[in-house]
Amino acid sequence: DIQMTQSPSSLSASVGDRVTITCRASQSISSYLNWYQQKQGKAPDLLIYAASSLQSGVPSRFSGSGSGTDFTLTISSLQPEDFATYYCQQSYSHPLTFGGGTKVEIK
Amino acid sequence: QVQLQQWGAGLLKPSETLSLTCAVYGGSLSGYYWSWIRQPPGKGLEWIGDINHSGSTRYNPSLKSRVTISVDTSKNQFSLKLNSVTAADTAAYYCAKGEQWATIWYFDLWGRGTLVTVSS
Repeated sequence: DIQMTQSPSSLSASVGDRVTITCRASQSISSYLNWYQQKQGKAPDLLIYAASSLQSGVPSRFSGSGSGTDFTLTISSLQPEDFATYYCQQSYSHPLTFGGGTKVEIK
Repeated sequence: QVQLQQWGAGLLKPSETLSLTCAVYGGSLSGYYWSWIRQPPGKGLEWIGDINHSGSTRYNPSLKSRVTISVDTSKNQFSLKLNSVTAADTAAYYCAKGEQWATIWYFDLWGRGTLVTVSS
C-alpha cells in the first residue's frame, strides 16, 4: 500500500494568513493526488484533483502543487469558513489511501 | 444535479453484518466507480472498496475477506455488506462517486454519511 503522510497534523492560524499543508507519498505517484476539506460532522468535499486542478466552485485562494512524492496545499488568505480538517488522497494504485489529516484551527 | 442518499442500520452487535445502501439520484451509475469509505470517530479516512455499473469490484485487502459491494442498476443503487463486525468497525460510513480526469480518479460527490456503532 502507498502510505500518505501529512504535516503538520494540526496548525493554528489567523484569518488572512497564508497556510501551507504538505503531503508526502511513500513512493512516486506522479500527479495522482487529491485534496479534500472536511468540516466537523460533515462529509469531505473535494478541493483539488490531479495535484493542481481546482474543483469547480472552489475559491481560488486554494491551490495545489507538486508531483512525484511531495505535494502542497496552499490557502493564500485564510477565511473563517476554511477552519476544517484537510486530507490528501492518492489514486495512483489500489488500495486508495488517505493522509492522516491536518486540522486547521483558529489562532 | 447528482445526489447520493445513503441508509442502513446504525447500531449492531458484535458478529452481526453491517448493511448499507446508497442511491444515486439525478444521474447514471454508468461511467463512474462508486466507493465506500469509512472514518472511525476522531480518526482519518479509510477506503473500503468500489464497484462500477457492470459489477466489477475492487476491495481494500485489509477488509477484503469480510466485504461485499454490489450494484443494482434497476434501482440505481449500490450496497455495502461487512460481516462479522467488531467494535473496531465503529465508524461513519460514506458512499462516494468516483470521477475521472485523464487517468486520475477522485471523489467529487459524497453521501452524508451513516454512523455505525458496534456494541454489545
